Amino acid sequence: GNSVTQMEGPVTLSEEAFLTINCTYTATGYPSLFWYVQYPGEGLQLLLKATKADDKGSNKGFEATYRKETTSFHLEKGSVQVSDSAVYFCALSGGNFGNEKLTFGTGTRLTIIP
Amino acid sequence: DARVTQTPRHKVTEMGQEVTMRCQPILGHNTVFWYRQTMMQGLELLAYFRNRAPLDDSGMPKDRFSAEMPDATLATLKIQPSEPRDSAVYFCASGLLQGSGNTIYFGEGSWLTVV
Repeated sequence: GNSVTQMEGPVTLSEEAFLTINCTYTATGYPSLFWYVQYPGEGLQLLLKATKADDKGSNKGFEATYRKETTSFHLEKGSVQVSDSAVYFCALSGGNFGNEKLTFGTGTRLTIIP
Repeated sequence: DARVTQTPRHKVTEMGQEVTMRCQPILGHNTVFWYRQTMMQGLELLAYFRNRAPLDDSGMPKDRFSAEMPDATLATLKIQPSEPRDSAVYFCASGLLQGSGNTIYFGEGSWLTVV
């Protein structure tokens, strides 16, 4: 079955530091890949996505590239801000009918200190 | 601004009581999901519906949990009887799924505490 392995947290960085959160996946076929973010007390929000190999998703300064050869979708940001403090979830979807459900990683809690 | 709406936002109940959580998906979305989030298990899929028909409820304990979509604007998740181990955040999500890469939108969750 599908699975997502995500970098263990928590991660604490200083403001303006470079961020990488690792994500690798196992799936049959050609899944779509997602990063969701969850702020305290809120639901999950889509941060970015990629639907095929070599696609790069980007949003709010965050980027992730769909690497089929390494089955990875690592999240990066060049300069983090305090407002980026949240829990980040990597996820995949099988995409085809009956397999659209999202399979999530365990989440990585990110704290940015001023 | 279209959003998935869940009620109640917070619920504290005693063990053995029935709990019903409701969800209004985004208008026009054809797929509705119920997820549960706990510290120990993370995000688990409980059930999902396509055009109101249940597609997968393998993640849901059948003896006490039930999920339905009485109409296209309402999904319900019921626990009867509730137990302390059901304490979690329950998220409803919806999407217009027509192939790969479609976005799924989450509600803000129903925070359940069973004492």
